Amino acid sequence: NAGVTQTPKFQVLKTGQSMTLQCAQDMNHEYMSWYRQDPGMGLRLIHYSVGAGITDQGEVPNGYNVSRSTTEDFPLRLLSAAPSQTSVYFCASNDRGGGYTFGSGTRLTVV
Amino acid sequence: DAKTTQPPSMDCAEGRAANLPCNHSTISGNEYVYWYRQIHSQGPQYIIHGLKNNETNEMASLIITEDRKSSTLILPHATLRDTAVYYCIVRVVTLPGTASKLTFGTGTRLQVTL
Repeated sequence: NAGVTQTPKFQVLKTGQSMTLQCAQDMNHEYMSWYRQDPGMGLRLIHYSVGAGITDQGEVPNGYNVSRSTTEDFPLRLLSAAPSQTSVYFCASNDRGGGYTFGSGTRLTVV
Repeated sequence: DAKTTQPPSMDCAEGRAANLPCNHSTISGNEYVYWYRQIHSQGPQYIIHGLKNNETNEMASLIITEDRKSSTLILPHATLRDTAVYYCIVRVVTLPGTASKLTFGTGTRLQVTL
């Protein structure tokens, strides 16, 4: 089915470890973005991309890196995991005027 | 993006219409109104959007006041599966820098009961 695929679904990291959250979309959407959601809160934007090779920071970018080498993929890298990065991470894609399609999320715990 | 105000929670009986209000009194002329919902811990789901005319799709109807300062999302026959947090978001879609991101508030938690 067409949509946004996120992997892994669950991950436990130790403080200081690095990892990459994968996100892929097969709808040829121009825009992609990463959000985090902490318990009882709305989603907050981490990074976003308006096309291949173009990325920008959102509301909470510290501790995360992104790249957009292809239209389909938008990985999120945690450079040195901290307990404050324990959260649920959602990737999304959209076209300019259309609704967003979100992935099912990655639940990350940093111990 | 303009700020929105929604009630924190609402209840609705199954089979009845659920009317979810949203205030966006500072909305600009080029900002659209979008509605999303998040069921339990799933990814948010797009519902509907509009600029100034009322809109309807298979999921819901969107009523925007003539001055565009508020809107109402209507779920015509709510079911238990509609229990979720509903987010009202306003944004400009004509520029890549704003079309590519959403600003979420805390939304309205709709509880549909038997």
